[in-house]
Amino acid sequence: RKEVEQDPGPFNVPEGATVAFNCTYSNSASQSFFWYRQDCRKEPKLLMSVYSSGNEDGRFTAQLNRASQYISLLIRDSKLSDSATYLCVVIRYNFNKFYFGSGTKLNVKP
Amino acid sequence: GAVVSQHPSWVICKSGTSVKIECRSLDFQATTMFWYRQFPKQSLMLMATSNEGSKATYEQGVEKDKFLINHASLTLSTLTVTSAHPEDSSFYICSARTGLGAYEQYFGPGTRLTVT
Repeated sequence: RKEVEQDPGPFNVPEGATVAFNCTYSNSASQSFFWYRQDCRKEPKLLMSVYSSGNEDGRFTAQLNRASQYISLLIRDSKLSDSATYLCVVIRYNFNKFYFGSGTKLNVKP
Repeated sequence: GAVVSQHPSWVICKSGTSVKIECRSLDFQATTMFWYRQFPKQSLMLMATSNEGSKATYEQGVEKDKFLINHASLTLSTLTVTSAHPEDSSFYICSARTGLGAYEQYFGPGTRLTVT
């Protein structure tokens, strides 16, 4: 079983829509969780951290559910510039083990 | 701050040759650097963790004699793909942490390797 699983999409949404992605992880010992954004043929860049209490940054909200072992990312009022692949990342062992999901592709259309 | 560079960004080589990829932390010292490989439409797969001045720790299934990693200084790690084969064609990305207590990894722009 994969460490981290994501729906690959693509999610095709119109501008202004609200879209949500989920990501499940298999190891309950996982310690830290993040969402990264990766544009085509570019390196991943940190989008936001994920906490049990929820984390909001502008139009982006991330949530962690340890009991069900999943994390989520909600994007409100989608912009064209939000089009990218969103990777969830699960970390163990003092931040030396990063496990990436395969990514969920988002296409925001005018 | 926290910029990581990679060189080259793109390389084509013939089967059987070796290719060296450099990863540099430009404005910080990186005690730990990581090497990832990403095939199209797949996730990043950690290949090895590189600590300055010591041998790299390879993930299961990664051949250490084929993927040679050297972390000679706090700002430079190199990955050499030896005797490259077409199946080694991939996007290789390095990342670096700014310190032992830092969770964030800063990624280099990646190197696209094509082996013909």
